[in-house]
Amino acid sequence: AQSVTQPDIHITVSEGASLELRCNYSYGATPYLFWYVQSPGQGLQLLLKYFSGDTLVQGIKGFEAEFKRSQSSFNLRKPSVHWSDAAEYFCAVGNAGGTSYGKLTFGQGTILTVHP
Amino acid sequence: DGGITQSPKYLFRKEGQNVTLSCEQNLNHDAMYWYRQDPGQGLRLIYYSQIVNDFQKGDIAEGYSVSREKKESFPLTVTSAQKNPTAFYLCASRLQGNNEQFFGPGTRLTVL
Repeated sequence: AQSVTQPDIHITVSEGASLELRCNYSYGATPYLFWYVQSPGQGLQLLLKYFSGDTLVQGIKGFEAEFKRSQSSFNLRKPSVHWSDAAEYFCAVGNAGGTSYGKLTFGQGTILTVHP
Repeated sequence: DGGITQSPKYLFRKEGQNVTLSCEQNLNHDAMYWYRQDPGQGLRLIYYSQIVNDFQKGDIAEGYSVSREKKESFPLTVTSAQKNPTAFYLCASRLQGNNEQFFGPGTRLTVL
């Protein structure tokens, strides 16, 4: 069964500092990978996705993520964090085929706090 | 504007009552999903539907029921059999052939 682990429950960074959120997945084939962001009490917004091709993926709001098959990782990065980036971030892996095509499995989430 | 609507945003019910959460989408998406979110547990899949008049159980379907009579609608009923129904519920949809899910704003259910 597929699974996603986000090792960091809570991360605190200063505004302007760089950010890396970790994500490790378990999936039997080439995965579809996603990063979503959620503000308190809101739905999820897609930041970026990886299906195939270039392993460095650019997303919205200045975020990027790198797919590393050898490490089963899909870490999210941003070179300079803004106070508005404070939110909860979810990594997810998607089923690529069969009757469960499109089904997502989410990690537990990482809460990002940004200090001024 | 196209999107996913969940209503109401906040819902309060007494213990032992069934309650139905609404999810409507005008994106012409084929598949729809219901997730439950609890602090520190991420999102857990309750039910999903790939096409009209068909749906499958997710990972935590016990105590919930759904229907998919129309393409744009996928209501979720939280029954009295659900032991701990207080949570944030999120609906999502997906276009056939695309692996990306789009999410609604969520409904926070509190059972008193």
